[in-house]
Amino acid sequence: AQKITQTQPGMFVQEKEAVTLDCTYDTSDPSYGLFWYKQPSSGEMIFLIYQGSYDQQNATEGRYSLNFQKARKSANLVISASQLGDSAMYFCAMGIDRIGNEKLTFGTGTRLTIIP
Amino acid sequence: GAGVSQSPRYKVAKRGQDVALRCDPISGHVSLFWYQQALGQGPEFLTYFQNEAQLDKSGLPSDRFFAERPEGSVSTLKIQRTQQEDSAVYLCASSTRRMRGAFFGQGTRLTVV
Repeated sequence: AQKITQTQPGMFVQEKEAVTLDCTYDTSDPSYGLFWYKQPSSGEMIFLIYQGSYDQQNATEGRYSLNFQKARKSANLVISASQLGDSAMYFCAMGIDRIGNEKLTFGTGTRLTIIP
Repeated sequence: GAGVSQSPRYKVAKRGQDVALRCDPISGHVSLFWYQQALGQGPEFLTYFQNEAQLDKSGLPSDRFFAERPEGSVSTLKIQRTQQEDSAVYLCASSTRRMRGAFFGQGTRLTVV
């Protein structure tokens, strides 16, 4: 079974500062992927970034980067130069890279609030 | 439309009533997922379709929950004899490539009174 742990229920960050959202995972499968999603108050889950377990380099997408430490089983999301529009719930998720097994396992989320 | 569309956005049901939730995935997306998100929690997997085939329904909490996707596009999640613990947001997602992130709809918020 897979498990995702997000230990920060809420975070407050000053606008324009960088922020790191923590995520640890547990799985015995060697091939897997890690995802981060943003959920604003409108409710839609917005895909941010993906990291494969065999990827050699950390994933980056604009202001988002994923700090992947395989030995520690952590996949922290780093948001640089935070903006007011970054205020939302953030979920870390994992999927096993096996044909027919498409589902994602989500953590409990971190509520990020950006302070002007 | 360009994204995943779910209807209705909000549904209030009396306990014992049957409900049907609709999902229109992104055109051409083979994979379709249903998730249940309780208040203050992350989404939990319910079921998965590849085209019209339901390949995984391990997350459906009871036999009161039923999902279908008869023509491989639109999907319906049906909940029979709703109970208060069924109150949650039901999210639908679709994807075209495995392990590249699914696109989610805005969800249907179901409240059972």
